[in-house]
Formats: sequence, C-alpha cells, structure tokens
Amino acid sequence: GESVGLHLPTLSVQEGDNSIINCAYSNSASDYFIWYKQESGKGPQFIIDIRSNMDKRQGQRVTVLLNKTVKHLSLQIAATQPGDSAVYFCAETNYGQNFVFGPGTRLSVLP
Amino acid sequence: DAGVIQSPRHEVTEMGQEVTLRCKPISGHDYLFWYRQTMMRGLELLIYFNNNVPIDDSGMPEDRFSAKMPNASFSTLKIQPSEPRDSAVYFCASSTQRYSYNEQFFGPGTRLTVL
Repeated sequence: GESVGLHLPTLSVQEGDNSIINCAYSNSASDYFIWYKQESGKGPQFIIDIRSNMDKRQGQRVTVLLNKTVKHLSLQIAATQPGDSAVYFCAETNYGQNFVFGPGTRLSVLP
Repeated sequence: DAGVIQSPRHEVTEMGQEVTLRCKPISGHDYLFWYRQTMMRGLELLIYFNNNVPIDDSGMPEDRFSAKMPNASFSTLKIQPSEPRDSAVYFCASSTQRYSYNEQFFGPGTRLTVL
C-alpha cells in the first residue's frame, strides 16, 4: 500500500485501553491544529481539530488537548479498538498559512 | 461518489524520465491540493488550485515539478526529469473550501519510486 513511516515511533496498546498520542509543535503563533489518521494504503483522514483559544475539545471517543505554554498537543482515544490501528499525525497552521504536518506515531492495537 | 481518484497507484521509473501523476477530485469540489509524503519530511503541501487556477505553488520543490488543472475534474503533477530524491507518496486532495480541513478528502496516493 501507500503507507510511509515504516520507522515511525510506535505506541502499542491493548484493545479496550485508552491511547494517548503526543505531538510537539514548533510555531508559537500557530492558531489552529488538526489530528489526522492514516491507515495503511490510504490517504490521511481528518479526526478532530482545535483552535488556539481552546485547551480541550472532545469528539466521538477522541479528545484533543492543547498546551500552548509548552507547545504540546495530544490525542486521546478512549476504548481503543483494532480499527484504530494506523499512523496518527498532527498539523499546525497560522491563519491558514505555514501548514506544517508532524512526523506521525504508529498506533498498534493488541488483541 | 467514488472519492478522490489517483492514478497510477504505483510508479517505478528511472532517473531522468518524465513522470505524470493524475488526480480526479470529488465532483463539486472547487479546491484541489497536491501533497508529498516522505519519511524524512513527512507530509508537505506542494500546490493548490481554486476553480482550476493555481493559487499557491510555494511548496513546489523546484522547476522540475509542474502542476496543471485543465478542467474541474482533472489535474496532473509532472516531474521532468525525475530524480531518486523525488521518491515519495504523492497525495491529491479536494475540498469545497480552502480552510475546511475537516472536509478535505484525500485520495489513496501514488507511490513513486525513482531508481
């Protein structure tokens, strides 16, 4: 398939446990952040976003936390399922400009 | 809708050859984006079009790369001449708005290998 990142950091979790994936961003002026999921052989898929005026946003089974003080973003996945196995990466942008994607973390869900 | 369609899915070529990647966006989407993904640099935006017009090509690495969108349903990304460092997965994406990332849909990608 069209997957990349064979040597990405890997997070292995047991099915049913919660997962936490971290991302350090670089630009203190970034005002908008996105988490993407990329399954093997597929393009990136939008999961959840957050603006810099928020520090937490929840979706269905996912929560994004933003700590602007240390320029850190995290994605929490509740009750991780086998279908959650994928590469996850964050992206930051400053008013739509300077769109930068992070390197990604591979999530492996163990049965 | 079949989603964003890209062809070929895999391309292997020799250094110096011309490579053409193709994309069909989702019908009705006015924005089309070309991205490149490598292990070293991650995902990078190369160029995007609005209503078939190139708006921002600042991500295009060099003159060897060119992109066109002759109509609303077709775009090409051409590399001439290709080099081994161009080896990557190239994604096309489309959306109805420039900054609606939650509505930006990616194609399956073309894995390019330049020998």
